[in-house]
Amino acid sequence: SQQGEEDPQALSIQEGENATMNCSYKTSINNLQWYRQNSGRGLVHLILIRSNEREKHSGRLRVTLDTSKKSSSLLITASRAADTASYFCATDAKRESGGSNYKLTFGKGTLLTVNP
Amino acid sequence: NAGVTQTPKFQVLKTGQSMTLQCAQDMNHEYMSWYRQDPGMGLRLIHYSVGAGITDQGEVPNGYNVSRSTTEDFPLRLLSAAPSQTSVYFCASSGGPLGEQYFGPGTRLTVT
Repeated sequence: SQQGEEDPQALSIQEGENATMNCSYKTSINNLQWYRQNSGRGLVHLILIRSNEREKHSGRLRVTLDTSKKSSSLLITASRAADTASYFCATDAKRESGGSNYKLTFGKGTLLTVNP
Repeated sequence: NAGVTQTPKFQVLKTGQSMTLQCAQDMNHEYMSWYRQDPGMGLRLIHYSVGAGITDQGEVPNGYNVSRSTTEDFPLRLLSAAPSQTSVYFCASSGGPLGEQYFGPGTRLTVT
């Protein structure tokens, strides 16, 4: 079963606007990652946030993590047409022993369209 | 560095045929994995490996075999292709199982 689920499934905005995507997951995690996929291509890593971190920035990307709600958000500021892509969150599941199950699970993705 | 390479890019099989999807990486990564991506389903983990000689099943392993004889290569074998295996297959590698994953360009497989 899917560990992470993105919301919304699709998002259409104008260039220059901000885009926010959300990810919810089911079990305790060690870290959460966000990836981008352009149509017909492989996934590209954007950012990784650890379970003991609450916020992380990379360029125009801002990721937050709320482990109490088991959710994360990805904010892309000042969007560009080139940001048009699908965005996925990925999580591992923390074992009761504290380790990882070593299985990275991806959600179904949010399709972002940025109109020029 | 070439990163993660996958061959072939496209493949059409008939039901019952077998084939091997190739994946190689030149980054000396210990962790490698195979995913399939279907419309509306996101990526689902098929098999993964935490190092040479060590493999384990993911979420959807049935109908697929893997082996990891070297650090560089992680081939995925379809034993007897079925139409349900029509999908896009991605190989990925990383320095550690929980780190940044580097994805290959994918193999688009159609089983008729």
